[in-house]
Amino acid sequence: QQPVQSPQAVILREGEDAVINCSSSKALYSVHWYRQKHGEAPVFLMILLKGGEQKGHDKISASFNEKKQQSSLYLTASQLSYSGTYFCGIPLSPSNTGKLIFGQGTTLQVKP
Amino acid sequence: NAGVTQTPKFRVLKTGQSMTLLCAQDMNHEYMYWYRQDPGMGLRLIHYSVGEGTTAKGEVPDGYNVSRLKKQNFLLGLESAAPSQTSVYFCASSYSVGAPDTQYFGPGTRLTVL
Repeated sequence: QQPVQSPQAVILREGEDAVINCSSSKALYSVHWYRQKHGEAPVFLMILLKGGEQKGHDKISASFNEKKQQSSLYLTASQLSYSGTYFCGIPLSPSNTGKLIFGQGTTLQVKP
Repeated sequence: NAGVTQTPKFRVLKTGQSMTLLCAQDMNHEYMYWYRQDPGMGLRLIHYSVGEGTTAKGEVPDGYNVSRLKKQNFLLGLESAAPSQTSVYFCASSYSVGAPDTQYFGPGTRLTVL
């Protein structure tokens, strides 16, 4: 039931782009994205709802493909501050959207 | 606002000892959660609460108990600690009931069981 994230890790140079994918074997009702810096708590980035809606947060955007049961996080012109581990979370049911199951995380390292 | 706070920040236990982790939030949130985080495993939901006086099991509830006697507090108890419970524990809260909403996380408690 846990969503699968890919890749597991990625190393970038400042200014490069990256894509992180989150796939589910179950129907998706919404997808939540969080970022966690080393030694800190996860911090909310965005929520995507059914309908293929695309959202943005600074130069980070995401898409939600309900048919493919997949969400992708796009990091454009990456900055050093983007380094961290990114998690997607999906609700187990539409009636209990507070109960999230998180993926295993994708570690992103941005180098100067 | 302090947001979500957790007590203690670090703790070392011996196998078989008990302890309680305290989570407090000052945002008047209905939902509260306890997660554990282990390397390569992401965040796994232990228990959660949809309101004062309610609790429910998450993905990995065995060996843990919880209570939500007051809306702002959510306690996680370990009755007889085991080395497999060595982990970082995060508490989180969210406002909305029944609709996707942001979860706000506390700073975490690092627990080591020897």
